[in-house]
Amino acid sequence: GAVVSQHPSWVICKSGTSVKIECRSLDFQATTMFWYRQFPKQSLMLMATSNEGSKATYEQGVEKDKFLINHASLTLSTLTVTSAHPEDSSFYICSARDRVTGNTIYFGEGSWLTVV
Amino acid sequence: GENVEQHPSTLSVQEGDSAVIKCTYSDSASNYFPWYKQELGKRPQLIIDIRSNVGEKKDQRIAVTLNKTAKHFSLHITETQPEDSAVYFCAAIKGSGYALNFGKGTSLLVTP
Repeated sequence: GAVVSQHPSWVICKSGTSVKIECRSLDFQATTMFWYRQFPKQSLMLMATSNEGSKATYEQGVEKDKFLINHASLTLSTLTVTSAHPEDSSFYICSARDRVTGNTIYFGEGSWLTVV
Repeated sequence: GENVEQHPSTLSVQEGDSAVIKCTYSDSASNYFPWYKQELGKRPQLIIDIRSNVGEKKDQRIAVTLNKTAKHFSLHITETQPEDSAVYFCAAIKGSGYALNFGKGTSLLVTP
């Protein structure tokens, strides 16, 4: 089946620094990728929709200047958490829609971010 | 936007019993309803899905039903096993942009 790879799987960073998370579709082209955040024992909350070659669409309450999203190619989207703070510590997970099969959405493995 | 409500938040059943999780959605334009199983710290795994032109779908011990009129859909797991223990999320497609909008999740515990 289709594979979405997310890297790193876990990262610890100091408060005030920036962290980049990559999401790659390995064997399909993804015109659209989605970024979610999941706090412990909570659901996945959509942060933004990333379209290849255009600006991301952010959900209400998500700071676009803090969570920078770049979708430069059909197989790669990146999420950069800028000036990270402890409250940004969470499980971040991406998903990608296969442009060929249409509706099918595949998830990356997720990235655990801990800001100390 | 789409609002997905999921109940119950926790569910405990004895091994071999059935488990039912229910979800409602608000956007009548939603046309794709997947169910995911998530184990702690791992990615959600698609276990079954249903499209709006179908009322019921079954895959071995798992089935999903959809009532478009009432805007609700349900997950049914029969002959539950301890390895079914996990958090289950329902979701609905949020309009034509294909962004999944998730329910809050149901923590299912199957006791031997």
